[in-house]
Amino acid sequence: DAKTTQPPSMDCAEGRAANLPCNHSTISGNEYVYWYRQIHSQGPQYIIHGLKNNETNEMASLIITEDRKSSTLILPHATLRDTAVYYCIVRVGRSGNTPLVFGKGTRLSVIA
Amino acid sequence: AAGVIQSPRHLIKEKRETATLKCYPIPRHDTVYWYQQGPGQDPQFLISFYEKMQSDKGSIPDRFSAQQFSDYHSELNMSSLELGDSALYFCASSLLTSGNSYNEQFFGPGTRLTVL
Repeated sequence: DAKTTQPPSMDCAEGRAANLPCNHSTISGNEYVYWYRQIHSQGPQYIIHGLKNNETNEMASLIITEDRKSSTLILPHATLRDTAVYYCIVRVGRSGNTPLVFGKGTRLSVIA
Repeated sequence: AAGVIQSPRHLIKEKRETATLKCYPIPRHDTVYWYQQGPGQDPQFLISFYEKMQSDKGSIPDRFSAQQFSDYHSELNMSSLELGDSALYFCASSLLTSGNSYNEQFFGPGTRLTVL
């Protein structure tokens, strides 16, 4: 799986959009971008995933650049409960039940 | 909706003792994963099972073993415990759907193991 690079930490004001970047310059054509988050000491939680098109669900939006070398996770209206470590993970598509490889992640602090 | 259940939630052991952690996946999920997260560390994959057979193996010490039973629950057995085994142990489950490129892993609340 391709390696990802994320900033170690970010702050965001409550109610504002949180934009979390991820670089994955070595991503292959059959690899998807997944985002998980871990709220303090809880089990990681799936957020969203995408291949090349932008994706949106009830939690977040995922913007993937045209060359697929980077992506941005957007939390449109961050709340204090969004304070967590966010992990960008690249995995081979149709990888079925392969394990997740967690990198360092970005620690997002939402500030009142 | 039913979630992944792990027991116990907290466990304190002495060095050189043994420990058994249990995981009950979401009903009808066919794959179970075990992850270890040391203090200040990111989760690291240990081992996984698909349909009761070992599927993938990560950085699991030889002192650890695991299995998945006929009812799909899984147990992680840890022997000769060391101080460095103190960590959060997460179990996750997923459903391998034929032809689907995506399978979300659902994580349990974790078991916090403290080795004294």
